Amino acid sequence: DADVTQTPRNRITKTGKRIMLECSQTKGHDRMYWYRQDPGLGLRLIYYSFDVKDINKGEISDGYSVSRQAQAKFSLSLESAIPNQTALYFCATSDDRTGGYYGYTFGSGTRLTVV
Amino acid sequence: KNEVEQSPQNLTAQEGEFITINCSYSVGISALHWLQQHPGGGIVSLFMLSSGKKKHGRLIATINIQEKHSSLHITASHPRDSAVYICAVGRSNQFYFGTGTSLTVIP
Repeated sequence: DADVTQTPRNRITKTGKRIMLECSQTKGHDRMYWYRQDPGLGLRLIYYSFDVKDINKGEISDGYSVSRQAQAKFSLSLESAIPNQTALYFCATSDDRTGGYYGYTFGSGTRLTVV
Repeated sequence: KNEVEQSPQNLTAQEGEFITINCSYSVGISALHWLQQHPGGGIVSLFMLSSGKKKHGRLIATINIQEKHSSLHITASHPRDSAVYICAVGRSNQFYFGTGTSLTVIP
């Protein structure tokens, strides 16, 4: 099994629908992140969590919400999907040591299309 | 303006060539990652650097903190090295990503 698992891998949804992307990890890392990737742009941080009780907004959090259900699970929700949220979404984890820069591990990505 | 700049954006090489990808950043950092993204989309961390040089197989990564610059070198390139290579700099407990260098190695 992958260390960081994202579900679903691909999803097509309609404008206005609520959708949840899920991420689970077996790395034992405290830190978890959600990024989106758009063509021609670098990965951009949506939300991050340093532990179950700590949730922080990233660079582009508008239109998104998250839930950290357990150390190993971090979900991203789009409350009312819009077409410009069409992107490739990545979950990542990192080790808490030395500022969380070590052990960065990415999931395989979720390709979301909003029509 | 992205605070992480990579060059070149696209690179085509013949199998066996020595390849260099560059990354420049504008502010002080605590760490730098080189990542590899294959056409299927998955991202893998190749190196994490905070100083000096690291080598793994045919891959070499260097960083010059004073010049705010890092390079990723691939020796004896192979078609399986074809991927997007992404530089990410870490500061304030977060990473900031370059837009990537798309490498194609032709047999």
